[in-house]
Amino acid sequence: SQTIHQWPATLVQPVGSPLSLECTVEGTSNPNLYWYRQAAGRGLQLLFYSVGIGQISSEVPQNLSASRPQDRQFILSSKKLLLSDSGFYLCAAAVGGLGNEQFFGPGTRLTVL
Amino acid sequence: GIQVEQSPPDLILQEGANSTLRCNFSDSVNNLQWFHQNPWGQLINLFYIPSGTKQNGRLSATTVATERYSLLYISSSQTTDSGVYFCAVENFNKFYFGSGTKLNVKP
Repeated sequence: SQTIHQWPATLVQPVGSPLSLECTVEGTSNPNLYWYRQAAGRGLQLLFYSVGIGQISSEVPQNLSASRPQDRQFILSSKKLLLSDSGFYLCAAAVGGLGNEQFFGPGTRLTVL
Repeated sequence: GIQVEQSPPDLILQEGANSTLRCNFSDSVNNLQWFHQNPWGQLINLFYIPSGTKQNGRLSATTVATERYSLLYISSSQTTDSGVYFCAVENFNKFYFGSGTKLNVKP
């Protein structure tokens, strides 16, 4: 079965600083990969998803970008963080083709001060 | 995109009680999943259930795809069942989440 790793677990960054969050997947190949953000007490907002290396779909115009340099690596970045970028960031992988099942990593809690 | 509505938004139960959570969705989907988010934020897969009925211990789920809804049943609730329950549907590689049901089971 697949395992999804995310790091760091928590991060405190000043406004205007850059960001790089990494997600890696073990135990499967060619997964669809997803980045979500969850504000406190709210639901999950899909930010980006990728169906293959170098293929990124952006769901919400914002201050963030994503890249997929390898099959099982997904990176979320920002050049300059905003206060509104604070939140809980979750990476997910879906395997199985059409009707695929999604699994989540443990998340990164980001606070921008 | 597909709209996903969950009800109720909040639920308080006494330990040992039963409950039913509902998920309605607005279009045909390839997949439906139920998740439990624990107090540390981890999303735990409960059911992968595009149609039919499944059971896992005290939990069971039913999806009626033709009528675009799914139900999650929790029987003999325990304090460890507390947290937020999310329903998510998938269509063409994109997942759409409901806003969740926040469950508080009191001892």
